[in-house]
Amino acid sequence: TQLLEQSPQFLSIQEGENLTVYCNSSSVFSSLQWYRQEPGEGPVLLVTVVTGGEVKKLKRLTFQFGDARKDSSLHITAAQPGDTGLYLCAGAKETSYDKVIFGPGTSLSVIP
Amino acid sequence: DAGVIQSPRHEVTEMGQEVTLRCKPISGHNSLFWYRQTMMRGLELLIYFNNNVPIDDSGMPEDRFSAKMPNASFSTLKIQPSEPRDSAVYFCASRNRATGIQYFGAGTRLSVL
Repeated sequence: TQLLEQSPQFLSIQEGENLTVYCNSSSVFSSLQWYRQEPGEGPVLLVTVVTGGEVKKLKRLTFQFGDARKDSSLHITAAQPGDTGLYLCAGAKETSYDKVIFGPGTSLSVIP
Repeated sequence: DAGVIQSPRHEVTEMGQEVTLRCKPISGHNSLFWYRQTMMRGLELLIYFNNNVPIDDSGMPEDRFSAKMPNASFSTLKIQPSEPRDSAVYFCASRNRATGIQYFGAGTRLSVL
């Protein structure tokens, strides 16, 4: 059983479209991170959210942490081919700050 | 900085052979993590070290797996004997505890035939 669920699992869209991917859990996390992983590379951290209801923006990417700190979303505006990759959410619990649990990921393909 | 350096990038071996994966963390980072990534199970934490000391190895699948960190600039993950189900991409990551940001290496793709 996955502690963190992500949806959709796969997403293929045209350049210029908007999209949202979701990260859900029945557990409460003290912080949640989003990573992007490109083929043949390791994940790269995009953002960390720590406060329930927090919204962070990174250029065309908007990240939101749920009020109850159990879920998060990533919205991309006007997607570009360079956004293609595997998007992973990862949560850390207060009782084990060092251990980050990763979700299964959403594989995004942006077609020119 | 060169980032986290892993070697080899690719390893192909036969079942029963010993495999050693290597990692050089970012200088000054005091935490080091070993992960395994597969299509079926995603990215799983195997073991992590703080200040060269193993803190949690509950993710290590079985006794065939072992990890060491003899100093702050080097760590190894060893599989002996290897099995086909160990085939995966193994990542090393290091972190400065002050910032909490993990930096991943490019991974070692292991194929056990």
